[in-house]
Amino acid sequence: AQKVTQAQTEISVVEKEDVTLDCVYETRDTTYYLFWYKQPPSGELVFLIRRNSFDEQNEISGRYSWNFQKSTSSFNFTITASQVVDSAVYFCALSEDGSARQLTFGSGTQLTVLP
Amino acid sequence: GAGVSQSPSNKVTEKGKDVELRCDPISGHTALYWYRQSLGQGLEFLIYFQGNSAPDKSGLPSDRFSAERTGGSVSTLTIQRTQQEDSAVYLCASSYYSGNEQYFGPGTRLTVT
Repeated sequence: AQKVTQAQTEISVVEKEDVTLDCVYETRDTTYYLFWYKQPPSGELVFLIRRNSFDEQNEISGRYSWNFQKSTSSFNFTITASQVVDSAVYFCALSEDGSARQLTFGSGTQLTVLP
Repeated sequence: GAGVSQSPSNKVTEKGKDVELRCDPISGHTALYWYRQSLGQGLEFLIYFQGNSAPDKSGLPSDRFSAERTGGSVSTLTIQRTQQEDSAVYLCASSYYSGNEQYFGPGTRLTVT
C-alpha cells in the first residue's frame, strides 16, 4: 500500500524567509510518480510539479525548488524568499504503477507567510 | 483555454436525498478523476475514467456512490440516499492521458443536513 506523510501540519514564516515543506512517501513499486499541488484560499488545486521515480535530479523553477531523494523516500519542496501570495495549503502526492492514475495525497501543510 | 469546470459550486441537501454533481473536463483530456476532500479524511480518490475503458471504481466508499462519463467528456457523480458523512468538497480532475499531471476543478461543496 502507498502512503504519503507530510509531518508539518502548519508552518508560519515571515516574508522573504526560505521555507522547506517535507514529504515522505512509502511504496513497493519501483515505478511511480510524485507530485506537489498548491491549494490557495480560493480552494482550487494548482499543479506545481510531477517527478518520476527514475529521475532524481533536483529541479528549480523560479523561487521553487524540489529535492527528490530515493534513499530517504523524500520529495521536499523549498520556497526561496517567500511571499505573502505563497500562503496556501501544499499537498504532496504519489501515484504507483507508473500510470499516475489515482493520486494518494498527504494530509497537506498549511503555509502562512506573514508580511 | 478553459479549465475543468464543476457544477454546482455549492449544494445543500437533506439527509436521504439523491444528488448529482457534474464535471466538464478540459477539452481533449481523455482521463477524468473524482476525489473527495473532507476535514477528517483529507483528499481521497473516488473513481477514474480513461477513454472508453472500464472505470476504476476502487475508491468509491459505498454502493450509494456511482459515476458516469458520457461521450468521453462530461461526467456525473451521483450519491444516493445521502448521509451526513457525505458532506465534503468533491473535486474533479482531468489529464491529457493517464500518466500526465491532473488539472483540478474548483470543486462542489456538498452539505448534507
